[in-house]
Amino acid sequence: EVQLKESGPGLVQPSQTLSLTCTVSGFSLTDYSVHWVRQPPGKGLEWMGVMWSGGSTAYNSALKSRLSISRDTSKSQVFLKMNSLQTEDTAIYYCTRDYFDYWGQGVMVTVSS
Amino acid sequence: DIVMTQAPLSVSVTPGESASISCRSSKSLLSSKGITSLYWYLQRPGKSPQLLIYRMSNLASGVPDRFSGSGSETDFTLKISKVETEDVGVYYCGHRLEYPYTFGAGTKLELK
Repeated sequence: EVQLKESGPGLVQPSQTLSLTCTVSGFSLTDYSVHWVRQPPGKGLEWMGVMWSGGSTAYNSALKSRLSISRDTSKSQVFLKMNSLQTEDTAIYYCTRDYFDYWGQGVMVTVSS
Repeated sequence: DIVMTQAPLSVSVTPGESASISCRSSKSLLSSKGITSLYWYLQRPGKSPQLLIYRMSNLASGVPDRFSGSGSETDFTLKISKVETEDVGVYYCGHRLEYPYTFGAGTKLELK
């Protein structure tokens, strides 16, 4: 069974760095890409970036200077790091596979002092 | 960035009736490989989004055939026939033609 699960801190202080982990099961990271998508409360979806199966990455240009995506294939984990967080980064952060056919449950991240 | 515009913002449907949602892209979504890179998603209340339609008109696995997608290079329609209570939620269109992938603002479907 394909599963993705996000984990990370629920609260981050402004200007600090957000670190999230997406742990997957039921498929290999070397066969499928994993994307990060976020959703501010009550708002729409924003694609953040992707870890392709071959190990390359791509980022939303609006976030590129602050965002980094990496992985550990041996642990079936994809990592998101985003620095200089502001209140507008408050959102539910999702990881999703490939053609967005499977999604994690999402993790709510609040940026607040 | 490609702008995805959905209409209407909300729709109220009687169960058993049909509903249509429109999506327009600011650029042709037809790729050089002949694939139209338009996708539809449903986000039920309090849940993660789920894929409904891929590449404009292909039904995702497990999705009822009451859902169908159609369109051209820039104008797209999601049709739901015989709406059921489980269809309530927000529908998003999105593209994967180029970076950044972008989504429409969403259309909220409610039942009368």
